[in-house]
Amino acid sequence: AQSVTQLDSQVPVFEEAPVELRCNYSSSVSVYLFWYVQYPNQGLQLLLKYLSGSTLVKGINGFEAEFNKSQTSFHLRKPSVHISDTAEYFCAVSERRSSYDKVIFGPGTSLSVIP
Amino acid sequence: DTGVSQNPRHKITKRGQNVTFRCDPISEHNRLYWYRQTLGQGPEFLTYFQNEAQLEKSRLLSDRFSAERPKGSFSTLEIQRTEQGDSAMYLCASSLLAANSGNTIYFGEGSWLTVV
Repeated sequence: AQSVTQLDSQVPVFEEAPVELRCNYSSSVSVYLFWYVQYPNQGLQLLLKYLSGSTLVKGINGFEAEFNKSQTSFHLRKPSVHISDTAEYFCAVSERRSSYDKVIFGPGTSLSVIP
Repeated sequence: DTGVSQNPRHKITKRGQNVTFRCDPISEHNRLYWYRQTLGQGPEFLTYFQNEAQLEKSRLLSDRFSAERPKGSFSTLEIQRTEQGDSAMYLCASSLLAANSGNTIYFGEGSWLTVV
């Protein structure tokens, strides 16, 4: 069964600085990978996804992520963060099967942008 | 395009009472998921449906939890004899299972349950 690890539970960063949120997954088959963002008291919003093709994926709000199969990682990056990026970020994985499997989420990383 | 809709958004109930949450997925989506989320944690998978068929139910889910999706449209999640440990946000999500689309799920705003 697939699993997701997000090693950093909290990441503080100054406004306009770059940030990287780490995600590693475990699976015996090929996977689809996702990053979601959650603002307080709201549901999760899709930031970006990797299905196939280019390993560098661009998403909304200036975020991007790179799929690294050898390291089983899918780290999220942004070159310059804003106060509005303060939120919870969740990495998720879905195994690629003939009938797609469920989506499993990591524990999340809390990004705090400091003015 | 209306998104995933969940009702009620907030529910406070006394321990031992039954509660039911409803989810209306995005109209053409054939898959529907229920997750549970507590503060500081990621969404925990509960169950999912393809059309009206329940494909999987988490082994962590007690028999007090039941979900249905009659006619493959909206879904309900019922919790019987609620306990304080059931207090959480219950998230519904839906996706369109199609070739080359991946399994991209879209979430509703969630239903908060507080058991007192």
